[in-house]
Formats: sequence, structure tokens, C-alpha cells
Amino acid sequence: DTEVTQTPKHLVMGMTNKKSLKCEQHMGHRAMYWYKQKAKKPPELMFVYSYEKLSINESVPSRFSPECPNSSLLNLHLHALQPEDSALYLCASSRSLQGAGANVLTFGAGSRLTVL
Amino acid sequence: SQQGEEDPQALSIQEGENATMNCSYKTSINNLQWYRQNSGRGLVHLILIRSNEREKHSGRLRVTLDTSKKSSSLLITASRAADTASYFCATVPTGTASKLTFGTGTRLQVTL
Repeated sequence: DTEVTQTPKHLVMGMTNKKSLKCEQHMGHRAMYWYKQKAKKPPELMFVYSYEKLSINESVPSRFSPECPNSSLLNLHLHALQPEDSALYLCASSRSLQGAGANVLTFGAGSRLTVL
Repeated sequence: SQQGEEDPQALSIQEGENATMNCSYKTSINNLQWYRQNSGRGLVHLILIRSNEREKHSGRLRVTLDTSKKSSSLLITASRAADTASYFCATVPTGTASKLTFGTGTRLQVTL
């Protein structure tokens, strides 16, 4: 299995809602990432997990809350979002943060989020 | 913050022609990667070139790296309509752990 699976593909939520984005990989990768991408812009790093521990938080607002329940799963919990948070949210994984394969990312297809 | 800028921002060519995209970056790096993104989808890793390499080939792709100029180029030979996508260079600046940072991207349109 060489895939990263993201659900849902599309999500529409109001500013008072609480929702979650989910990401799953079964490649045995030990590093997982969340990126945010606005239209016609490059992906921007949000969070990095290594061996289920948060390694990097790029000063992301607390209305985005990541969680890594185990080495195969990565969640992004959303609460009290703003319309400007509407974007494509991309999950990715890599073998690890060190050594061979580090930083070579396998991406999911993304979850397109619209905040009304 | 963006580490790289790509040039051109958009490129339109006919099938069979070659496409060249350039990437400039700001700080020293261990390696540079190129990714492709079809419209609204996830990114796909294409090729990685290490800082001690000058040129690398993979199928119809040729990547060059000039660390003295902090620049890289991606050449796609004999382009096909299926090559239509956005192409991003990506780097991890030395000393920043795993902050893989993407350039601004080049949107390639290949027409029949």
C-alpha cells in the first residue's frame, strides 16, 4: 500500500462548528505532516509529527488542533474557524525525519475545506 | 515563508515540445526536490537531487542544480498533454529539520 488516504474529500462548515479531517497511511512511515494550500499558492507547512509526537508547529492558530493517535493515523481538529481558513488541507508522510527517505513526502489527495 | 521562487509562473507549450522550469532558493540546502500537482489534487514526488550532485535524470525528466547560484532547473522532454500540472521545487534549508518548503510553482499547460 503506497497511499495516503484523506477523508473527507470536501467539507463545508460554519464558523461555530467542530469538525475533523482524517489521514491514514499504511506504509510504515513514522513522520506525518499537515500542509495548507490556498488557490494558486504553494503548500504551507502547518504541523509535523515524528513517532507520534509533535515535532514542528509553524505557529498555527489554536483553532487548528492536530492529533496523532498512532503511527498510521493523523487528525486535524477544527473549531471556530474563519472564512479565510477555507483551503485545501494536505496530509503527507515520510519514512522518518532523519536518514534515507527523510523529507521525501507522499501526499494524500487533500480535503477541500469551505468555511461559511 | 517561501524558500524558493519559480520561473516562469505559467508556461504553455504544444505536445512534443520541451518544457523548462527554473527554481531559485535562498539558503543552503541538503537536497532539492521537484513535485507535480494536478489541479486541486495532492502532490507527487518526481525527483530528488542532492547538494553534491549537478545533474540527474529520470525518464523524460532532467534536473540540474547549481548550489553556487542557488538555482535548479527541471526539463521535461517530449511533453504530453498528461504533463499538464503545476510543478513545485521544494527544499529543506540546512538546520531546519524537516521543514520541507515549496517554491511558488510553475503552471504548465501542454496542448495537443
